[in-house]
Amino acid sequence: DGGITQSPKYLFRKEGQNVTLSCEQNLNHDAMYWYRQDPGQGLRLIYYSQIVNDFQKGDIAEGYSVSREKKESFPLTVTSAQKNPTAFYLCASSIGKGWETQYFGPGTRLLVL
Amino acid sequence: GQNIDQPTEMTATEGAIVQINCTYQTSGFNGLFWYQQHAGEAPTFLSYNVLDGLEEKGRFSSFLSRSKGYSYLLLKELQMKDSASYLCAVKDSNYQLIWGAGTKLIIKP
Repeated sequence: DGGITQSPKYLFRKEGQNVTLSCEQNLNHDAMYWYRQDPGQGLRLIYYSQIVNDFQKGDIAEGYSVSREKKESFPLTVTSAQKNPTAFYLCASSIGKGWETQYFGPGTRLLVL
Repeated sequence: GQNIDQPTEMTATEGAIVQINCTYQTSGFNGLFWYQQHAGEAPTFLSYNVLDGLEEKGRFSSFLSRSKGYSYLLLKELQMKDSASYLCAVKDSNYQLIWGAGTKLIIKP
């Protein structure tokens, strides 16, 4: 079955710690995206990548970093510079590079200890 | 600035019809998406409109008026499983998605 997987489902971060959220897709999609979802707000774009070894900052990239070494994988690191990381993180992918229909993974909920 | 407006919450009765509105002010327009999101889960794609008019897909229909900056999602024969948030997103002139905060739909028996 083709799809997008994210792990872990829940993640706890301690003060000053970097954590990495995994996102893998086997849909052969070119583009991948990371969003943050907070209660009462729309999805906000953190980073996106339209091709391997290239990625672009979204609206709220500060305190986050990504890599795209393989077409299937787009991990997101939440660094200690992100002072308010508690949120629901969603990874998505789309075929092509024109922001076609995006398909989402199940999400990772990040909580701060 | 860019803005997507949707009602925060709506309530409807099982078996009835409900219309969820979305108005937008964006820098350019290249299409509008509707997604369904159950609590704690990922959004799932419902519909995409790029031309004016009504697109029907089973119990769900989506309408677009580009001149009015307006769309609605129409859900017929409501079922309890339709209780979810419905997200409106517009593709702007840079082909990036601008998301509304979503409308939480509560279905009562």
